[in-house]
Amino acid sequence: QVTLKESGPGILQPSQTLSLTCSFSGFSLSTSGMGVGWIRQPSGKGLEWLAHIWWDDDKRYNPALKSRLTISKDTSSNQVFLKIASVDTADTATYYCARIMITTGMDYWGQGTSVTVSS
Amino acid sequence: QIVLTQSPAIMSASPGEKVTITCSASSSVSYMHWFQQKPGTSPKLWIYSTSNLASGVPARFSGSGSGTSYSLTISRMEAEDAATYYCQQRSSYPWTFGGGTKLEIK
Repeated sequence: QVTLKESGPGILQPSQTLSLTCSFSGFSLSTSGMGVGWIRQPSGKGLEWLAHIWWDDDKRYNPALKSRLTISKDTSSNQVFLKIASVDTADTATYYCARIMITTGMDYWGQGTSVTVSS
Repeated sequence: QIVLTQSPAIMSASPGEKVTITCSASSSVSYMHWFQQKPGTSPKLWIYSTSNLASGVPARFSGSGSGTSYSLTISRMEAEDAATYYCQQRSSYPWTFGGGTKLEIK
């Protein structure tokens, strides 16, 4: 079955770089039409799409954060990575990764990883 | 970017009552997608491409709409349907979500 799991530092200080890893199983990012994306949700608030990467290495970013985001993948190890540079308190949120299929969209989500930016 | 406005933001319904949640887009989109989220859990794909129920979603749910106006309907509210529902568009970048509709059971 399809599973995804996010991992991150938990807490980091302002101006640092946030590194997140999405480890998945049950599908391959070498399959045409497949992608993995990142979405975040501040506590008690709504969802914000951040970025995603497709099987062919096409990458898309939210322009609101584009200069700070870098997404990459390691197909052989079934992992997708997201880096957010120069974090501040506004980046405090739960970060989710999700499988994306061209046909159905974000059909499987991880459990999320909580990130707190605090000095 | 396309802004999605959901209404109402909060609502409550009695068991058996019909429920309709609307999502208005600032520009025309080809399809609308819906997610259900319960407290402390990750969102779940609920309806994709406007009217297709995701796997395991009860048949009392339906989706409809076109252009800038879309809706999610529950024919008869059940207690397990209490959750927050988000619409989402992926017709153009950046992909955006609506602000959510919190549905409570009376």
